[in-house]
Amino acid sequence: SQQGEEDPQALSIQEGENATMNCSYKTSINNLQWYRQNSGRGLVHLILIRSNEREKHSGRLRVTLDTSKKSSSLLITASRAADTASYFCVHTGANSKLTFGKGITLSVRP
Amino acid sequence: NAGVMQNPRHLVRRRGQEARLRCSPMKGHSHVYWYRQLPEEGLKFMVYLQKENIIDESGMPKERFSAEFPKEGPSILRIQQVVRGDSAAYFCASSPGEDQPQHFGDGTRLSIL
Repeated sequence: SQQGEEDPQALSIQEGENATMNCSYKTSINNLQWYRQNSGRGLVHLILIRSNEREKHSGRLRVTLDTSKKSSSLLITASRAADTASYFCVHTGANSKLTFGKGITLSVRP
Repeated sequence: NAGVMQNPRHLVRRRGQEARLRCSPMKGHSHVYWYRQLPEEGLKFMVYLQKENIIDESGMPKERFSAEFPKEGPSILRIQQVVRGDSAAYFCASSPGEDQPQHFGDGTRLSIL
């Protein structure tokens, strides 16, 4: 399987706290992306980091990529109740095919 | 600029019937991808199409499933002789080119009675 692991599977935090989510992958990648999915909806693209980048920021989001360890992390700072969703770490291989894990369920308590 | 539009949002079929799922990509996007999501699971890649061409169908079952993206009109995912195991959410995504972020529709939830 080309899927790696996402950690933790579920995360519950208080509003205002930071949330850190990690993922690992097995194959070489062109880039890695994080998506968010709210219940019953499609996925929303959050951020893309290329294989030659180590860190990227977008608003309250910070993504790191360590290609030597084949791992990435997503940090959401100052979390809000609206951040409650499932988060997917997705890597792109040949033919732009996205490989999804089971996702990380984040619950932010108001 | 409208996003990726999928219809219908919900589709109910009886075993043995045909299901047709439609996807209109974002304006300017010529790359379309179909994914299937089972409950509590991540999305599984099915097929990748560019206008009038199937680029990669490695995730699509060989029988009963087909996909097209004609020169005019939406992309269609067609499932013939549906079975209970086809019940899932089917998501379409589009992008302006390879290696670009994919934008997803809200999916079609297919239920087989």
